[in-house]
Amino acid sequence: NAGVTQTPKFRILKIGQSMTLQCTQDMNHNYMYWYRQDPGMGLKLIYYSVGAGITDKGEVPNGYNVSRSTTEDFPLRLELAAPSQTSVYFCASSYSARSTDTQYFGPGTRLTVL
Amino acid sequence: KNQVEQSPQSLIILEGKNCTLQCNYTVSPFSNLRWYKQDTGRGPVSLTIMTFSENTKSNGRYTATLDADTKQSSLHITASQLSDSASYICVVSLQTGANNLFFGTGTRLTVIP
Repeated sequence: NAGVTQTPKFRILKIGQSMTLQCTQDMNHNYMYWYRQDPGMGLKLIYYSVGAGITDKGEVPNGYNVSRSTTEDFPLRLELAAPSQTSVYFCASSYSARSTDTQYFGPGTRLTVL
Repeated sequence: KNQVEQSPQSLIILEGKNCTLQCNYTVSPFSNLRWYKQDTGRGPVSLTIMTFSENTKSNGRYTATLDADTKQSSLHITASQLSDSASYICVVSLQTGANNLFFGTGTRLTVIP
């Protein structure tokens, strides 16, 4: 199993540009999550999905959109990039929402908006 | 307010030495507490998980403790190795909900030869 994979690893955007961060998991997990990690801060939840076709906002959803058309994929869309979106983005997945279920994280995408 | 605080922010130790990292939380209702290890440029990986009734959990040279009464946890690393250099993140879960994790800011550990 590859686990959770993310592409790209690095990206530089200009203000106002758009991009999609890709996330794929091969563990047949129902739940998927997008987090951002800013320097000196804890991870913050952007969006999550409880299954194909179902998504919900997390703590910091403004400026982002998501979709979940398949169990495996959970892309994160930035429509109008802003410098405040400079961060490291992590995708994660878990089998269920039980608090004892482990979330497995991808390697991250480092995004810089200039 | 649900919060997780970790100390110290960073730590440098010599290879072979022991160290202890601290985590204090105010998350309620508490379900469990995890310690994650995050290598540079990688995603976090779960080391240990403890529920309310557990006060210690080991994973090799890593031993986590939990005092649910004082809402404190520690992660003790024994006989440190260079590969232990990483950030260690304390994560506390609420009892319910998919949006139920609270992350600490992490302790950056550097092990030097």
